[in-house]
Amino acid sequence: SQQGEEDPQALSIQEGENATMNCSYKTSINNLQWYRQNSGRGLVHLILIRSNEREKHSGRLRVTLDTSKKSSSLLITASRAADTASYFCATGPSNTGKLIFGQGTTLQVKP
Amino acid sequence: NAGVTQTPKFQVLKTGQSMTLQCAQDMNHEYMSWYRQDPGMGLRLIHYSVGAGITDQGEVPNGYNVSRSTTEDFPLRLLSAAPSQTSVYFCASKEGTGWEKLFFGSGTQLSVL
Repeated sequence: SQQGEEDPQALSIQEGENATMNCSYKTSINNLQWYRQNSGRGLVHLILIRSNEREKHSGRLRVTLDTSKKSSSLLITASRAADTASYFCATGPSNTGKLIFGQGTTLQVKP
Repeated sequence: NAGVTQTPKFQVLKTGQSMTLQCAQDMNHEYMSWYRQDPGMGLRLIHYSVGAGITDQGEVPNGYNVSRSTTEDFPLRLLSAAPSQTSVYFCASKEGTGWEKLFFGSGTQLSVL
């Protein structure tokens, strides 16, 4: 079974609005990563948050991590049409270097 | 910088045929892996390698073979293709065997008829 599960599966918003995606995982982790995939392309790394961090920012991205609830959220502020993509969280068991991906959230930002 | 290069980009096979998906990286990364992506299933790990001569199974290894004779290359072999292997395949690499970020290739779209 997959390590990460994203919610919602699909999200449609207007340009300028904020988008929030959630990820839940099952086992203890060292870190959690978020990736973006544009249609027909490979995944691109966005941000990594370590298990001892609670929040991290990168430009318009804000990631939170709650290890007690085994969950993370990705917030994209002031969204743009170019943010239209699928977003995946990835993590893995603490004793391996494997990354397991969730099913992803498909985000559509309407101009 | 080429990064992670996958070939071919598209491939159509008949059931029972064999083929090899190529993956090469020029970043001297220790770790390489193969994922398949199916609608509604996200990405699932097929096989991975933590260095030349070392490979291990992921979540969905059946029907696939891998080898890692060099640091740069990590080919994925389908010995006898089945329609259930119709998918988009991604190769990815990272610097070490810890928790570094993955670099992805652009994918191979495979159809098995």
